Amino acid sequence: EAAVTQSPRNKVAVTGGKVTLSCNQTNNHNNMYWYRQDTGHGLRLIHYSYGAGSTEKGDIPDGYKASRPSQENFSLILELATPSQTSVYFCASGDEGANTEVFFGKGTRLTVV
Amino acid sequence: GDQVEQSPSALSLHEGTGSALRCNFTTTMRAVQWFRKNSRGSLINLFYLASGTKENGRLKSAFDSKERYSTLHIRDAQLEDSGTYFCAAGNSGTYQRFGTGTKLQVVP
Repeated sequence: EAAVTQSPRNKVAVTGGKVTLSCNQTNNHNNMYWYRQDTGHGLRLIHYSYGAGSTEKGDIPDGYKASRPSQENFSLILELATPSQTSVYFCASGDEGANTEVFFGKGTRLTVV
Repeated sequence: GDQVEQSPSALSLHEGTGSALRCNFTTTMRAVQWFRKNSRGSLINLFYLASGTKENGRLKSAFDSKERYSTLHIRDAQLEDSGTYFCAAGNSGTYQRFGTGTKLQVVP
């Protein structure tokens, strides 16, 4: 069973503060993804990565940075958090190639006050 | 515009009954994946299809790339089936786009 672990699971941040969400996968998957899920929007892709050292913009990258220092780890960084970034964030990993099956972490609930 | 249109947005089923969720695609997709978000907020993989149908217990999914749709059938619904169901599909890109979800409530 694919294993994707996110941390923290819950986070409260202040407006203007820096937030880092971490994701670790032990599946040796090349591709990793960060999504946010808001009611009425489904899951929207923020950033993704093809492998260590690679980061790509998804559909809604503004206000977010990503870092892929290794095959296993993919971080999402909010340099200046805003209340509009309050959401549930999901990390996922999948094999190399188009439209391969992806596996999700349990999600991180972020509240920016 | 949106590439994945999911319906219905909400559904209420009595225990023991069934229904179908549907995703229509505005372009040809190469594969579809179905998930359930449970009460704890976790996304559970249900199916991954590149074509045809798959069945797992009381769930069955079909994907028709040519006709641009996928369905998820639930039969003999149980209380624990409640949750929000998402489809996700992709074309020539390397990532999938999600539907807006179907909130399913199973009632006694």
